[in-house]
Amino acid sequence: DAGVIQSPRHEVTEMGQEVTLRCKPISGHDYLFWYRQTMMRGLELLIYFNNNVPIDDSGMPEDRFSAKMPNASFSTLKIQPSEPRDSAVYFCASSLGLQYNEQFFGPGTRLTVL
Amino acid sequence: GDSVTQMEGPVTLSEEAFLTINCTYTATGYPSLFWYVQYPGEGLQLLLKATKADDKGSNKGFEATYRKETTSFHLEKGSVQVSDSAVYFCALKPNFGNEKLTFGTGTRLTIIP
Repeated sequence: DAGVIQSPRHEVTEMGQEVTLRCKPISGHDYLFWYRQTMMRGLELLIYFNNNVPIDDSGMPEDRFSAKMPNASFSTLKIQPSEPRDSAVYFCASSLGLQYNEQFFGPGTRLTVL
Repeated sequence: GDSVTQMEGPVTLSEEAFLTINCTYTATGYPSLFWYVQYPGEGLQLLLKATKADDKGSNKGFEATYRKETTSFHLEKGSVQVSDSAVYFCALKPNFGNEKLTFGTGTRLTIIP
Protein backbone atom coordinates (compact mmCIF):
# COMPACT_ATOMS: atom_id res chain seq x y z
CA ASP A 1 0.00 0.00 0.00
CA ALA A 2 1.19 3.51 -0.78
CA GLY A 3 0.29 4.79 2.67
CA VAL A 4 -1.56 8.01 3.37
CA ILE A 5 -1.08 10.47 0.51
CA GLN A 6 -1.22 14.22 0.98
CA SER A 7 -1.00 17.02 -1.54
CA PRO A 8 0.50 19.44 -2.01
CA ARG A 9 3.62 18.83 0.08
CA HIS A 10 4.34 22.54 0.25
CA GLU A 11 2.03 25.49 -0.21
CA VAL A 12 2.93 29.15 -0.12
CA THR A 13 0.10 31.63 -0.38
CA GLU A 14 -0.77 35.17 0.49
CA MET A 15 -3.02 36.28 3.29
CA GLY A 16 -6.66 36.25 2.28
CA GLN A 17 -6.34 33.50 -0.30
CA GLU A 18 -8.21 30.20 -0.14
CA VAL A 19 -6.12 27.13 0.57
CA THR A 20 -7.20 23.53 -0.01
CA LEU A 21 -5.25 20.59 1.36
CA ARG A 22 -5.95 17.08 0.15
CA CYS A 23 -5.67 13.64 1.64
CA LYS A 24 -6.11 10.09 0.41
CA PRO A 25 -6.31 7.62 3.31
CA ILE A 26 -5.14 4.03 3.25
CA SER A 27 -7.68 1.87 1.48
CA GLY A 28 -10.02 0.14 3.90
CA HIS A 29 -9.41 2.48 6.80
CA ASP A 30 -12.61 3.74 8.42
CA TYR A 31 -11.18 6.73 10.30
CA LEU A 32 -9.52 9.85 8.96
CA PHE A 33 -7.89 12.54 11.08
CA TRP A 34 -6.60 16.04 10.34
CA TYR A 35 -3.85 17.47 12.59
CA ARG A 36 -1.94 20.72 12.70
CA GLN A 37 1.62 20.96 14.00
CA THR A 38 3.34 24.17 15.07
CA MET A 39 6.30 24.93 17.28
CA MET A 40 4.15 26.94 19.66
CA ARG A 41 1.17 24.61 20.04
CA GLY A 42 2.62 21.22 19.14
CA LEU A 43 0.36 18.65 17.51
CA GLU A 44 -3.36 19.47 17.54
CA LEU A 45 -6.24 17.34 16.34
CA LEU A 46 -8.53 19.47 14.18
CA ILE A 47 -11.25 17.02 13.15
CA TYR A 48 -11.84 13.35 12.54
CA PHE A 49 -14.22 11.32 10.42
CA ASN A 50 -15.66 7.83 10.73
CA ASN A 51 -17.05 6.30 7.55
CA ASN A 52 -16.94 9.74 5.90
CA VAL A 53 -19.01 11.35 8.68
CA PRO A 54 -17.42 14.06 10.87
CA ILE A 55 -17.39 12.82 14.45
CA ASP A 56 -15.51 15.50 16.36
CA ASP A 57 -14.62 18.93 14.98
CA SER A 58 -14.00 20.58 18.32
CA GLY A 59 -10.39 21.25 17.35
CA MET A 60 -11.23 23.31 14.28
CA PRO A 61 -9.92 26.75 15.21
CA GLU A 62 -12.64 28.89 13.68
CA ASP A 63 -15.14 29.21 10.87
CA ARG A 64 -12.42 29.89 8.36
CA PHE A 65 -11.56 26.19 8.53
CA SER A 66 -13.73 23.51 6.98
CA ALA A 67 -13.19 19.83 6.20
CA LYS A 68 -15.06 17.42 4.00
CA MET A 69 -14.90 13.76 3.16
CA PRO A 70 -17.06 13.15 0.08
CA ASN A 71 -16.05 9.49 -0.17
CA ALA A 72 -13.92 6.88 1.56
CA SER A 73 -10.81 7.68 -0.44
CA PHE A 74 -10.63 11.46 -0.31
CA SER A 75 -10.77 14.32 2.15
CA THR A 76 -10.07 18.05 1.99
CA LEU A 77 -9.22 20.68 4.55
CA LYS A 78 -9.99 24.20 3.40
CA ILE A 79 -8.96 27.52 4.89
CA GLN A 80 -10.76 30.59 3.62
CA PRO A 81 -9.51 33.24 4.02
CA SER A 82 -6.03 32.23 5.09
CA GLU A 83 -4.02 34.21 7.66
CA PRO A 84 -0.30 34.17 8.56
CA ARG A 85 -1.08 32.44 11.88
CA ASP A 86 -2.36 29.46 9.89
CA SER A 87 1.21 28.70 8.82
CA ALA A 88 1.94 25.18 10.04
CA VAL A 89 2.41 21.59 8.92
CA TYR A 90 -0.93 19.86 8.40
CA PHE A 91 -1.04 16.10 8.72
CA CYS A 92 -3.67 13.65 7.65
CA ALA A 93 -3.84 10.23 9.30
CA SER A 94 -6.05 7.19 8.91
CA SER A 95 -6.79 4.08 10.92
CA LEU A 96 -8.90 0.96 10.98
CA GLY A 97 -10.41 2.06 14.26
CA LEU A 98 -11.34 -0.68 16.69
CA GLN A 99 -9.45 -0.88 19.90
CA TYR A 100 -5.70 -0.35 19.96
CA ASN A 101 -5.19 0.21 16.25
CA GLU A 102 -2.55 2.72 15.30
CA GLN A 103 -3.01 5.80 13.20
CA PHE A 104 -0.95 5.99 10.01
CA PHE A 105 0.24 9.48 9.19
CA GLY A 106 0.85 11.08 5.83
CA PRO A 107 3.99 13.10 5.10
CA GLY A 108 2.25 16.39 5.79
CA THR A 109 1.64 19.65 3.93
CA ARG A 110 3.80 22.58 4.96
CA LEU A 111 1.67 25.72 4.62
CA THR A 112 3.16 29.19 4.62
CA VAL A 113 0.82 32.17 4.55
CA LEU A 114 2.61 35.43 3.79
CA GLY B 1 -9.67 15.56 30.65
CA ASP B 2 -6.95 13.26 29.39
CA SER B 3 -3.41 14.60 29.23
CA VAL B 4 0.14 13.45 28.54
CA THR B 5 3.22 15.06 30.06
CA GLN B 6 6.55 14.47 28.43
CA MET B 7 10.11 15.18 29.39
CA GLU B 8 11.21 18.58 28.13
CA GLY B 9 13.76 18.58 25.38
CA PRO B 10 15.89 18.86 23.51
CA VAL B 11 17.97 15.87 24.57
CA THR B 12 21.47 15.39 23.21
CA LEU B 13 23.38 12.16 23.75
CA SER B 14 26.50 10.53 22.43
CA GLU B 15 26.24 7.40 20.31
CA GLU B 16 25.85 4.19 22.37
CA ALA B 17 24.55 6.10 25.41
CA PHE B 18 21.50 4.93 27.37
CA LEU B 19 18.28 6.78 26.64
CA THR B 20 15.28 7.50 28.82
CA ILE B 21 12.46 9.82 27.83
CA ASN B 22 9.89 10.23 30.59
CA CYS B 23 6.15 10.18 29.95
CA THR B 24 3.32 10.35 32.46
CA TYR B 25 -0.38 10.53 31.78
CA THR B 26 -3.72 11.45 33.30
CA ALA B 27 -6.76 9.53 32.12
CA THR B 28 -9.83 7.78 33.38
CA GLY B 29 -9.97 4.04 33.14
CA TYR B 30 -7.31 2.09 31.31
CA PRO B 31 -6.12 3.84 28.17
CA SER B 32 -3.84 2.40 25.51
CA LEU B 33 -0.41 4.03 25.41
CA PHE B 34 1.80 4.74 22.42
CA TRP B 35 5.16 6.12 21.42
CA TYR B 36 5.35 7.73 18.00
CA VAL B 37 8.53 8.91 16.26
CA GLN B 38 8.88 11.71 13.72
CA TYR B 39 11.99 11.82 11.57
CA PRO B 40 12.92 15.11 9.90
CA GLY B 41 10.52 16.08 7.15
CA GLU B 42 8.23 13.12 7.72
CA GLY B 43 4.94 12.31 9.39
CA LEU B 44 4.64 10.47 12.68
CA GLN B 45 4.99 6.71 12.73
CA LEU B 46 4.19 4.27 15.49
CA LEU B 47 7.24 3.09 17.40
CA LEU B 48 5.59 0.88 20.02
CA LYS B 49 2.43 0.49 22.06
CA ALA B 50 0.98 -1.14 25.17
CA THR B 51 -2.66 -1.81 25.82
CA LYS B 52 -2.88 -2.82 29.48
CA ALA B 53 -1.07 -2.48 32.77
CA ASP B 54 2.37 -4.14 32.96
CA ASP B 55 2.50 -4.66 29.19
CA LYS B 56 5.87 -3.93 27.62
CA GLY B 57 5.99 -2.54 24.12
CA SER B 58 9.21 -2.95 22.15
CA ASN B 59 10.55 -2.19 18.69
CA LYS B 60 13.94 -1.38 17.13
CA GLY B 61 15.65 -1.72 20.52
CA PHE B 62 13.26 0.69 22.22
CA GLU B 63 11.11 -0.42 25.15
CA ALA B 64 8.40 1.07 27.32
CA THR B 65 6.39 -0.51 30.14
CA TYR B 66 2.82 0.49 31.02
CA ARG B 67 2.93 1.34 34.73
CA LYS B 68 -0.56 1.87 36.10
CA GLU B 69 0.60 2.57 39.65
CA THR B 70 2.78 5.48 38.55
CA THR B 71 0.73 6.37 35.44
CA SER B 72 3.91 6.28 33.38
CA PHE B 73 5.16 4.94 30.06
CA HIS B 74 8.83 5.88 29.90
CA LEU B 75 10.76 5.18 26.69
CA GLU B 76 14.17 3.50 26.99
CA LYS B 77 16.92 2.28 24.72
CA GLY B 78 20.16 0.72 25.86
CA SER B 79 22.45 2.01 23.13
CA VAL B 80 21.36 4.82 20.85
CA GLN B 81 22.54 5.41 17.30
CA VAL B 82 22.82 8.53 15.18
CA SER B 83 19.85 7.27 13.16
CA ASP B 84 17.66 7.53 16.29
CA SER B 85 17.79 11.32 16.06
CA ALA B 86 14.14 12.38 15.78
CA VAL B 87 11.23 13.80 17.75
CA TYR B 88 9.45 11.33 20.03
CA PHE B 89 5.81 11.69 21.06
CA CYS B 90 4.02 9.88 23.86
CA ALA B 91 0.27 9.46 23.33
CA LEU B 92 -2.78 7.81 24.85
CA LYS B 93 -6.14 6.63 23.56
CA PRO B 94 -9.12 5.90 25.80
CA ASN B 95 -10.44 2.38 25.69
CA PHE B 96 -14.11 3.21 25.38
CA GLY B 97 -14.70 3.81 21.70
CA ASN B 98 -13.11 7.20 21.34
CA GLU B 99 -10.57 7.18 18.54
CA LYS B 100 -8.88 10.44 19.53
CA LEU B 101 -5.21 10.28 20.43
CA THR B 102 -3.94 12.71 23.07
CA PHE B 103 -0.30 13.57 22.36
CA GLY B 104 2.47 14.94 24.53
CA THR B 105 4.46 17.92 23.34
CA GLY B 106 7.25 15.82 21.85
CA THR B 107 10.91 15.43 22.81
CA ARG B 108 13.61 16.21 20.28
CA LEU B 109 16.50 13.75 20.49
CA THR B 110 19.87 14.36 18.85
CA ILE B 111 22.58 11.71 18.86
CA ILE B 112 26.12 12.83 18.15
CA PRO B 113 28.76 10.44 16.82
